[in-house]
Amino acid sequence: DTGVSQDPRHKITKRGQNVTFRCDPISEHNRLYWYRQTLGQGPEFLTYFQNEAQLEKSRLLSDRFSAERPKGSFSTLEIQRTEQGDSAMYLCASSLAVPGEQYFGPGTRLTVT
Amino acid sequence: GEDVEQSLFLSVREGDSSVINCTYTDSSSTYLYWYKQEPGAGLQLLTYIFSNMDMKQDQRLTVLLNKKDKHLSLRIADTQTGDSAIYFCAERPPREYGNKLVFGAGTILRVKS
Repeated sequence: DTGVSQDPRHKITKRGQNVTFRCDPISEHNRLYWYRQTLGQGPEFLTYFQNEAQLEKSRLLSDRFSAERPKGSFSTLEIQRTEQGDSAMYLCASSLAVPGEQYFGPGTRLTVT
Repeated sequence: GEDVEQSLFLSVREGDSSVINCTYTDSSSTYLYWYKQEPGAGLQLLTYIFSNMDMKQDQRLTVLLNKKDKHLSLRIADTQTGDSAIYFCAERPPREYGNKLVFGAGTILRVKS
């Protein structure tokens, strides 16, 4: 297995458009996480899945954001009606339940113009 | 509350040791992690320490944990130019607060040859 993968790596969109990102976790990992990272900051937690169940959502995850993991494997993160403040790196991570260390993908860099 | 603080910048000469420091506020955190991020890339897990340990050594990396002072450090022996990157400290709060990691803002390590 080559690790966590994310697609696309870069996305440029106009304000008001919808975007969707995909994350493929390490195959045997049942936990999947989304984080957002802005310039000069560490990643901030957005949401977390155990298998297909979304178990926790941050207050950062506004109504315009939705995440799914329909079959407990890959996950998608959709942002509707993008705003310039959504410009950031979106990072996906996966882990086993035990011991639980999270492995990150390369990220999707979103630029909203 | 959850808050992780790191110094912003560290510059060392190639071959010297680097020590990156971190303080955290949640004394009940179970695991503490160090990640490395190179420009435009995702986060690479370097090492982690369980909260009941004082020290962990892994090749050139030594992690020291002072629970009383809530202080974590990462020492890199024989620092190389390839170690130049941003280093993030992260804590994992207890299970009842979810499985998210709480990151510091990162320390930029510059290695001069």
